[in-house]
Amino acid sequence: RKEVEQDPGPFNVPEGATVAFNCTYSNSASQSFFWYRQDCRKEPKLLMSVYSSGNEDGRFTAQLNRASQYISLLIRDSKLSDSATYLCVVNMAPNFNKFYFGSGTKLNVKP
Amino acid sequence: EPEVTQTPSHQVTQMGQEVILRCVPISNHLYFYWYRQILGQKVEFLVSFYNNEISEKSEIFDDQFSVERPDGSNFTLKIRSTKLEDSAMYFCASSEKGGQDNSPLHFGNGTRLTVT
Repeated sequence: RKEVEQDPGPFNVPEGATVAFNCTYSNSASQSFFWYRQDCRKEPKLLMSVYSSGNEDGRFTAQLNRASQYISLLIRDSKLSDSATYLCVVNMAPNFNKFYFGSGTKLNVKP
Repeated sequence: EPEVTQTPSHQVTQMGQEVILRCVPISNHLYFYWYRQILGQKVEFLVSFYNNEISEKSEIFDDQFSVERPDGSNFTLKIRSTKLEDSAMYFCASSEKGGQDNSPLHFGNGTRLTVT
């Protein structure tokens, strides 16, 4: 099983749509979880950390399900500028300063 | 906002040559990383560095690779004898607390390495 797995997509949605991505991780001891956004040929940029109780930042909501070892990202009211690849990032035991990336989920928001 | 800086932005080298990629992490960060991304593929962990030593490395990070923090600000990745398959985007990242307290990675803009 891969350390971090994501549906590669692409997800093609109209502007204003709500879209959700999931990511599963293999290490039940993982402690830190993030969603990053990557535009074509650019560096990954932090979108949001994911906390156990779930958290929201504007149109973005992240959830963590430790029992099932997955995290999710919900984007409401999609904008054209949300088009990007969304990367799930998880740290791994035994040395928790090692972070693994999923292969990313591509989102295309269409007018 | 403080940022991670990387130089050069693009490096072209011939197979077998040595390259050094440079990074200046965010000044109060303690953990430093190199990742690479081959075109069209995922971001892959290479190495993490803390307290002036490697704390983790991946299978990719073989004897051809080395890292160094030669002074208080720079963090370098050296590839001794480049191969065609080393062509990729190399990202440097730093983190204030590593994997503790959801302390995230902050990435530089990357160095695109092309080996011919």
